Amino acid sequence: AQKITQTQPGMFVQEKEAVTLDCTYDTSDQSYGLFWYKQPSSGEMIFLIYQGSYDEQNATEGRYSLNFQKARKSANLVISASQLGDSAMYFCAMRRGYQKVTFGIGTKLQVIP
Amino acid sequence: ETGVTQTPRHLVMGMTNKKSLKCEQHLGHNAMYWYKQSAKKPLELMFVYNFKEQTENNSVPSRFSPECPNSSHLFLHLHTLQPEDSALYLCASSPDPYQETQYFGPGTRLLVL
Repeated sequence: AQKITQTQPGMFVQEKEAVTLDCTYDTSDQSYGLFWYKQPSSGEMIFLIYQGSYDEQNATEGRYSLNFQKARKSANLVISASQLGDSAMYFCAMRRGYQKVTFGIGTKLQVIP
Repeated sequence: ETGVTQTPRHLVMGMTNKKSLKCEQHLGHNAMYWYKQSAKKPLELMFVYNFKEQTENNSVPSRFSPECPNSSHLFLHLHTLQPEDSALYLCASSPDPYQETQYFGPGTRLLVL
């Protein structure tokens, strides 16, 4: 069974600093996709970034980058230049082939002014 | 109109009530999903619809009854719920089932008394 592990229940970061949110995954498949969602207190899950298992370059979307280390099965999210609006829950997720998407339990990020 | 909308945003119901949650997507997607999000647990997929046809029921109790009259609308009919059904219910859509990027609505926060 596919599994997503997020070991940081909560993180603090100073405004304008960078922060890394950890995510490890477990799958024996060669083809899979990894992505991150942000969930503010309003409840909506906002798609941030996607990484395919065959993508050679780490994905980047503005201030978000995904540090993909395939051998270690990790897909950490890096947020650069944190902003107060980045305070939210962050979920790592994985899709294996055409299987359903599996989500981690999330990390709560709080940005300190 | 934003991509995926859900109504109501908040709902309080007794265990003997019957209510319905509504989801509408304005993205032209073919697949729609219902998820349940409980505190400190990963997001749980409940149902998947593709072109109005249910393609997955993730062992959801029969007190939850989905309905998809067309590709843009998805309902979740609730009856005789239990207090442990209190959660955030999220609707999502994607161009096709299990396509990596699912777009979520803001959710309905349900409290069962």
